[in-house]
Amino acid sequence: QKEVEQNSGPLSVPEGAIASLNCTYSDRGSQSFFWYRQYSGKSPELIMFIYSNGDKEDGRFTAQLNKASQYVSLLIRDSQPSDSATYLCAVDSGYALNFGKGTSLLVTP
Amino acid sequence: GAVVSQHPSWVICKSGTSVKIECRSLDFQATTMFWYRQFPKQSLMLMATSNEGSKATYEQGVEKDKFLINHASLTLSTLTVTSAHPEDSSFYICSARRSDTQNTEAFFGQGTRLTVV
Repeated sequence: QKEVEQNSGPLSVPEGAIASLNCTYSDRGSQSFFWYRQYSGKSPELIMFIYSNGDKEDGRFTAQLNKASQYVSLLIRDSQPSDSATYLCAVDSGYALNFGKGTSLLVTP
Repeated sequence: GAVVSQHPSWVICKSGTSVKIECRSLDFQATTMFWYRQFPKQSLMLMATSNEGSKATYEQGVEKDKFLINHASLTLSTLTVTSAHPEDSSFYICSARRSDTQNTEAFFGQGTRLTVV
């Protein structure tokens, strides 16, 4: 069973702070990693994907990947109340994506 | 980005009836589509992989005779929940990945909220 683990939270951060979301995975052969955001009652929407070790930045979001440690993270800078949602880490299984349970983020004004 | 359309967005049905959910890729061809189910405060659980022109591949524990999948064209997959029961009430989401490139993200439909009464 290929596992994707996330802390369910809730993670609470004040507006303007950095939110750090973490994810570990069990399949060492995984090559592609994705972060999705899901608002309650809605489908997931893609935030970022990362394939290579290191950091990848896109606006306020930075994804970090460490394949040796089987660890991927998402940093959200200058967090806004509108960022409050569940963040899902997804790992490519070769055909479908395997999702973690998600981390609930709450950004307080 | 690519668009995946799912219909209906919500449905209420009586116990024992069947419900069909459609998933369409609007601007790309998808030889493979995926059906997920999500219970409240739970993660997306892959139910089955829909393959165009061939039988669907079901995940362990998913009843293939209850959840009928048809992928008749490169842009349409359907999921039929047969003889629905209250425990089938859930959020069903389809997704598709572009088949012309590798390592691409999954695009999701809007989801279907099924309530069986």
